[in-house]
Amino acid sequence: DAKTTQPPSMDCAEGRAANLPCNHSTISGNEYVYWYRQIHSQGPQYIIHGLKNNETNEMASLIITEDRKSSTLILPHATLRDTAVYYCILLGSARQLTFGSGTQLTVLP
Amino acid sequence: GAVVSQHPSWVICKSGTSVKIECRSLDFQATTMFWYRQFPKQSLMLMATSNEGSKATYEQGVEKDKFLINHASLTLSTLTVTSAHPEDSSFYICSAQGQGVNEQFFGPGTRLTVL
Repeated sequence: DAKTTQPPSMDCAEGRAANLPCNHSTISGNEYVYWYRQIHSQGPQYIIHGLKNNETNEMASLIITEDRKSSTLILPHATLRDTAVYYCILLGSARQLTFGSGTQLTVLP
Repeated sequence: GAVVSQHPSWVICKSGTSVKIECRSLDFQATTMFWYRQFPKQSLMLMATSNEGSKATYEQGVEKDKFLINHASLTLSTLTVTSAHPEDSSFYICSAQGQGVNEQFFGPGTRLTVL
């Protein structure tokens, strides 16, 4: 599966939107973009995924560029409980997740 | 989302003993389960993939005789760390995947400490 690049860390003020970028310039046509997060000492939690259209659920929105080479996860109103490591992962036919180093999001009061 | 449990949540054992960790999908049938290991301040590393009723497929560098995986039913997989040593101390996490579904749902993890 193709690789993703994420900033190692980001801060966000509580109540504001958190926008987490992910670059995946070598993404293949059949690869989905998945986002998971891991709160300290817990198992990862599924957030959202998409192929080429923008997606929204109760947790977040996923914006994928038209060329699919990058995406942004948006947490519309960040809370302190959203502090976690966020992983952007490409998932293809192998159906296996390969975790990179992710982005440590810290929501500040 | 689907719920996956792990037991125990933490375990301390002596060097040379074996430890079994259970992973259960509580509200769906998991045709595939994955086992990961995570060392402090590092990302998750896939250890092995198991399909119900089949032998597990291990990632390169993971000893299959040391980390025994059994996936005997659609709701239960077990990981046994045999002859554990201090370097096996880690956070072990399982995930479960239903048939024809890409999403993996993760358990809460098991922290293993080998003295």
